[in-house]
Amino acid sequence: SAVISQKPSRDICQRGTSLTIQCQVDSQVTMMFWYRQQPGQSLTLIATANQGSEATYESGFVIDKFPISRPNLTFSTLTVSNMSPEDSSIYLCSVVQHEQFFGPGTRLTVL
Amino acid sequence: EDQVTQSPEALRLQEGESSSLNCSYTVSGLRGLFWYRQDPGKGPEFLFTLYSAGEEKEKERLKATLTKKESFLHITAPKPEDSATYLCAVQAVGGGSNYKLTFGKGTLLTVNP
Repeated sequence: SAVISQKPSRDICQRGTSLTIQCQVDSQVTMMFWYRQQPGQSLTLIATANQGSEATYESGFVIDKFPISRPNLTFSTLTVSNMSPEDSSIYLCSVVQHEQFFGPGTRLTVL
Repeated sequence: EDQVTQSPEALRLQEGESSSLNCSYTVSGLRGLFWYRQDPGKGPEFLFTLYSAGEEKEKERLKATLTKKESFLHITAPKPEDSATYLCAVQAVGGGSNYKLTFGKGTLLTVNP
């Protein structure tokens, strides 16, 4: 299975600022995904990131709030923009290699 | 809209006390049903994929089964190291993202020694 790392593992940010989360995979993958896990809620897909094309966002998520980059087949970033306390959550990237595997997550707290 | 409901929300067992976790789902067409284990502070760890009613898969003390409306994760003679949150997810046929997983809220399992 793919080995996925994320940076940072956690952060505390002030409202109105932005945070970029990095996701690195140890092998080339076509599709990468970004999920959000809010306290007490289900894991929810934010967007699908394919290399060489614009990310595809799920209903309720917009590019201005969650811009995504996918410069190559092993790396992606998710930016959480103009943050508010409601953005406090765990953000996870995942990849598909026969099955869908998840990174360790980034725990974000917005004050 | 695809929906996944897991029960119970929390389950406390004594070591060796077998039990089952339930995952009920509503989906237009099922491509696959997935079970993950999530430890505190970590990402979900893949356990099983089930594709059709009647299918069963086993891994150590865990066995997953699937019907047309629900899945069960049976835990036989659990040990304290089985303590974790168990997540169920479905993948629907068609839709915008072929790999989108819709998750339930999970069952928090605690196994006491």
